[in-house]
Amino acid sequence: GAGVSQTPSNKVTEKGKYVELRCDPISGHTALYWYRQSLGQGPEFLIYFQGTGAADDSGLPNDRFFAVRPEGSVSTLKIQRTERGDSAVYLCASSPEGTHGNTIYFGEGSWLTVV
Amino acid sequence: DAKTTQPNSMESNEEEPVHLPCNHSTISGTDYIHWYRQLPSQGPEYVIHGLTSNVNNRMASLAIAEDRKSSTLILHRATLRDAAVYYCILRDVGGSQGNLIFGKGTKLSVKP
Repeated sequence: GAGVSQTPSNKVTEKGKYVELRCDPISGHTALYWYRQSLGQGPEFLIYFQGTGAADDSGLPNDRFFAVRPEGSVSTLKIQRTERGDSAVYLCASSPEGTHGNTIYFGEGSWLTVV
Repeated sequence: DAKTTQPNSMESNEEEPVHLPCNHSTISGTDYIHWYRQLPSQGPEYVIHGLTSNVNNRMASLAIAEDRKSSTLILHRATLRDAAVYYCILRDVGGSQGNLIFGKGTKLSVKP
């Protein structure tokens, strides 16, 4: 597939557990983004990678959230000590580079439910 | 990124044109106007973007006011597949981050 791939597509976890969400961007895309979307709201920016480094992590809500992209391709969003309020769709996106004109391509998201 | 204002919802009939408005009165000279849409249970997808001049592509047209404080996304013939939430977003040409800041968008319903 040529698009952004996210796994798992659905995850149900218990409050307090640790969760990892994976994103495979489009091959060759240097910019990678994570967003979170709650029901009825627009996507909320979490973090942006340019290559291996986090260029902007200002959207991460607290230190329970962390993301890595060690080789500049696949990224993992990690959530520790999950809370019910973390339930949302987590969207990953990529673009050829993180500039204003380039189209950003989104995956279909990982639906996280914390019970 | 500057804020945008859109109606919460709009309705259209199938095969008729749809004009989706967006106000961005605090737009700066370096902000591009981007439109994305999100179909049910999918991630957002790019529709169109522009800076000053009107733009056309196979999906839609973008009409930008002369003072750039508002814009309109035009779907020339709405289909049932166009039912989605449409987001109008400003993106700074000089910004290094490149991330999109979404509002709540306009939910478009298309009636057969």
